[in-house]
Amino acid sequence: QQQVRQSPQSLTVWEGETAILNCSYEDSTFDYFPWYHQFPGESPALLIAIRPVSNKKEDGRFTIFFNKREKKFSLHIADSQPGDSATYFCAAIDQGGSAKLIFGEGTKLTVSS
Amino acid sequence: GGIITQTPKFLIGQEGQKLTLKCQQNFNHDTMYWYRQDSGKGLRLIYYSITENDLQKGDLSEGYDASREKKSSFSLTVTSAQKNEMAVFLCASSIDINQAPLFGEGTRLSVL
Repeated sequence: QQQVRQSPQSLTVWEGETAILNCSYEDSTFDYFPWYHQFPGESPALLIAIRPVSNKKEDGRFTIFFNKREKKFSLHIADSQPGDSATYFCAAIDQGGSAKLIFGEGTKLTVSS
Repeated sequence: GGIITQTPKFLIGQEGQKLTLKCQQNFNHDTMYWYRQDSGKGLRLIYYSITENDLQKGDLSEGYDASREKKSSFSLTVTSAQKNEMAVFLCASSIDINQAPLFGEGTRLSVL
């Protein structure tokens, strides 16, 4: 079964710090990796995504770092704000194969002021 | 802009009942998904449809049926609701499998 593992389950950082959320995967055929965030009572919303041709993708305060050899990728949230407090999900899809979009279990981020 | 509409927003069923959840999107997207999210948990893929006439099982398909009636709509049926079951069912769509999907607001299911 294809899996995407996410850590930590929960993370607390102070306002202004960089939050680092980690994901790993097993299936080397995965070729597209989006991150979503979900606020309580809402649906997941797409945040940023990366393809393995790149090892870094930036969008404002959000950066994905990708290590294809180790099958790991991480989301860095710079200058964390209390409004960033949410659950973050990484995901992976094998676009050339089954096309299943598989999600990790999520990291609950709390940014304290 | 487009929208993904899930109906109903809330669904209360009885044990053993067959329940149908509907999803409509007006993005003209090819690919649609159904996920289940239990409280405080991640999203598990139930069924997906890559294009209009396609239907694929996810990892959680047992106990569910799905139907892609037309390009804009994708329905999910709980074949026999389980007592005390509570979950949110999320529909999502993307222009194709090369893009990350957008999610609807969900259907919240409770089974008495």
